[in-house]
Amino acid sequence: KAGVTQTPRYLIKTRGQQVTLSCSPISGHRSVSWYQQTPGQGLQFLFEYFSETQRNKGNFPGRFSGRQFSNSRSEMNVSTLELGDSALYLCASSFRESGTEAFFGQGTRLTVV
Amino acid sequence: DAKTTQPTSMDCAEGRAANLPCNHSTISGNEYVYWYRQIHSQGPQYIIHGLKNNETNEMASLIITEDRKSSTLILPHATLRDTAVYYCIVRSYGGATNKLIFGTGTLLAVQP
Repeated sequence: KAGVTQTPRYLIKTRGQQVTLSCSPISGHRSVSWYQQTPGQGLQFLFEYFSETQRNKGNFPGRFSGRQFSNSRSEMNVSTLELGDSALYLCASSFRESGTEAFFGQGTRLTVV
Repeated sequence: DAKTTQPTSMDCAEGRAANLPCNHSTISGNEYVYWYRQIHSQGPQYIIHGLKNNETNEMASLIITEDRKSSTLILPHATLRDTAVYYCIVRSYGGATNKLIFGTGTLLAVQP
């Protein structure tokens, strides 16, 4: 079965712009989490959704937001982009609400110039 | 903060077993040990997890000490494709979350 699909794979944006990233989880998975990976901070948890509800949020500013749709697809949005937002953004899907392994997508590489 | 400690890097000869250690001295009774790996520029990949018994699957074996304060991931016959950063993660089974807290991991370099 198809894995986690993230689009787009690569993106270049200018400071001050906003961006929307998309994640389609594995079919049947209802939990979606987002992570940011940078060379300096490593892999950091952004937020987690289950059945269209945000269950957890990491320590990121309000410019970072997300949502999940009824078909479990998820989007994350970053407004007023800063150079420091350049990162690999990873989405992970899990079958149940908790206690199950996460399957990651290939990520979206965002570059802010 | 991550609740695990791992060596920054390790080398292993191709075809030999790779033994990756992890310390998790503050692990609590309802917390599992998970291992993921991340090959360069890809998303992390689930490897194995365990509570207190040793576990084995087609990818690796997980040995957890009796006091559960440390564990070792074993790749029985390392190949060049196993070169990756390996993350040891402690997480509770319940709590209505699938959140993972990643540490810095161990960069395993498999040498030909």
